[in-house]
Amino acid sequence: EVQLVESGGGLVQPGGSLRLSCAASGFTFSRYWMHWVRQAPGKGLVWVSRIKSDETIRSYVDSVRGRFTISRDNAKNTLYLQMNSLRPDDTAVYYCARVGLSDALDIWGQGTMVTVSS
Amino acid sequence: SYELTQPPSVSVSPGQTASITCSGDKLGDKFASWYQQKPGQSPVLVIYQDTKRPSGIPERFSGSNSGNTATLTISGTQAMDEADYYCQAWDSSNNYVFGTGTKVTVL
Repeated sequence: EVQLVESGGGLVQPGGSLRLSCAASGFTFSRYWMHWVRQAPGKGLVWVSRIKSDETIRSYVDSVRGRFTISRDNAKNTLYLQMNSLRPDDTAVYYCARVGLSDALDIWGQGTMVTVSS
Repeated sequence: SYELTQPPSVSVSPGQTASITCSGDKLGDKFASWYQQKPGQSPVLVIYQDTKRPSGIPERFSGSNSGNTATLTISGTQAMDEADYYCQAWDSSNNYVFGTGTKVTVL
């Protein structure tokens, strides 16, 4: 079964750091672009970051550039999102997603909740 | 930055047709995708490359894209189609952009 499972979310104080993980299974992880998408409580989807299969291309939404870093370990079939200098407006469910059919996000994880609050 | 605008809500009677629009500058020059999200669940891809359905998505879901508007159409809407729907495309830097989202209510 093709599956993505996120972990690493939790409660963190403003200015703190957190690393999210996304474990992939059921497909050849190293062949696919991967993304992070977030959703604040009661709000819409917001694209956060993407990484090419070989890590040669990474990009970020303006609001997280310089604070978040996307990476992957193809040997461990795992995607990461290192989040530093966290702010209350980073509070959201964070989803990892695979780029599949004609560049659409065809597989999504169940999400992990990040709460930034004092 | 590139923006995609959707109506906040659409209401439809069971068995009728629901149309959800997504507006963006020259959107027709890009490919649009659509995602369905039910409460408490992760998004699911329902349309990609403007008109194509992934395996397992019912035929009642269809899409089009021309000019500045992409449209998701649900024909013969069922109660199970009640959900939030998001369009998605790419900006000039090939970064992904999601629409503002539309809540579909089946009355």
